[in-house]
Amino acid sequence: QVQLQESGPGLVKPSETLSLTCTVSGDSINDYYWGWIRQPPGKGLEWIGYIYYSGTTSYNPSLKSRVTISLDPSKTQFSLKLNSVTAADTAVYYCARARSFAYFDYWGQGPLVTVSS
Amino acid sequence: QSALTQPASVSGSPGQSITISCIGTSSDVGKYNLVSWYQEHPGKAPKLMIYEVSQRPSGVSDRFSGSKSGNTASLTISGLQAEDEADYYCCSYAGSTTFLLFGGGTKLTVL
Repeated sequence: QVQLQESGPGLVKPSETLSLTCTVSGDSINDYYWGWIRQPPGKGLEWIGYIYYSGTTSYNPSLKSRVTISLDPSKTQFSLKLNSVTAADTAVYYCARARSFAYFDYWGQGPLVTVSS
Repeated sequence: QSALTQPASVSGSPGQSITISCIGTSSDVGKYNLVSWYQEHPGKAPKLMIYEVSQRPSGVSDRFSGSKSGNTASLTISGLQAEDEADYYCCSYAGSTTFLLFGGGTKLTVL
């Protein structure tokens, strides 16, 4: 059974960098896309971006200038960095596996990350 | 690009059928057969219910079905059950610049 688990700080100060790591267990990193999706409190889902196992990345155009997604196959982990955060970046951040580039079949539990001083 | 358009809420009684619409454009829903639907219960991670417009992942009840006509995709739930009460989100591929768009979500209430 594939499992994904996010880890990282639950509180980030404005203007700083939000960093999260997703650890994958139960399957290889190979042959899939690995993505991040967020959900502000009381709002809908927003795709942030994903990385293919080969290292190719794709990002939401509205976040592209601030986002970096990277992959560490040796640790079966992938990471999200979102810089220059503001209160508008407060959200539940999910990591997920994409069987193709168009849909996510396994999701992590999603920690709430709050941006506040 | 704007999010896909879904009704804010729908409701139905146990045993009935409901349909949730997801309106996009000719650049996303209308262009690609790459619409997916997710079910989200409060405090839980989203669950994939439908992919590629009408395909059901293993383990998803056949009471859930998806379809598409033009720029509108639809999720139909038949034989409504109390456990179906949740938020539902559609998602569509939108090309190699925008990539993925989600709908705003629909809250399903089982009366």
